[in-house]
Amino acid sequence: NAGVTQTPKFRVLKTGQSMTLLCAQDMNHEYMYWYRQDPGMGLRLIHYSVGEGTTAKGEVPDGYNVSRLKKQNFLLGLESAAPSQTSVYFCASSRDSSGNTIYFGEGSWLTVV
Amino acid sequence: GNSVTQMEGPVTLSEEAFLTINCTYTATGYPSLFWYVQYPGEGLQLLLKATKADDKGSNKGFEATYRKETTSFHLEKGSVQVSDSAVYFCALSDYGYQKVTFGTGTKLQVIP
Repeated sequence: NAGVTQTPKFRVLKTGQSMTLLCAQDMNHEYMYWYRQDPGMGLRLIHYSVGEGTTAKGEVPDGYNVSRLKKQNFLLGLESAAPSQTSVYFCASSRDSSGNTIYFGEGSWLTVV
Repeated sequence: GNSVTQMEGPVTLSEEAFLTINCTYTATGYPSLFWYVQYPGEGLQLLLKATKADDKGSNKGFEATYRKETTSFHLEKGSVQVSDSAVYFCALSDYGYQKVTFGTGTKLQVIP
């Protein structure tokens, strides 16, 4: 029972490099989210999706792009990484927003040097 | 907009002590409320939830009651263990807002 799976788990990037984080869920959930977690700031929503083919901006979208071409996958892209994007990234999914449980992946640790 | 406010940590307790972590919220609708727990190096896991006023969520000895009159959802446990050391997040989900709002998290450290 995989739930929400994120890859890669760890990555070190040089400033200016690009990369994509992949999130996959096997629960047939409509909603998917990308959060970043920084010390003292809790979880901040980067982008989210309410269904296949849709994306929307969260609280801190700048410097990131996302795509939801398939219902089960939600990709987070960094086109030109910056040290300020050093963080732990969490993907999550839920059936909908009406009070149902949100399920998290195990996190992706990204360091930009 | 919606918001969640948690007490700042870290909270340090001795084993078997009583735990309270305060959480208050602001929402325009009738949200569902959650407590999530994050153990070191892991993602967030649902600890308990309550979907309407006066509901009590409970799990693993933890409890929280949805208090609409005080807009609160405080987390309690009667006797904490070292294994409860983690970061605890209060959150709300409000239909129509399309996303879950999290508090900043409260780190709990339980010492033997």
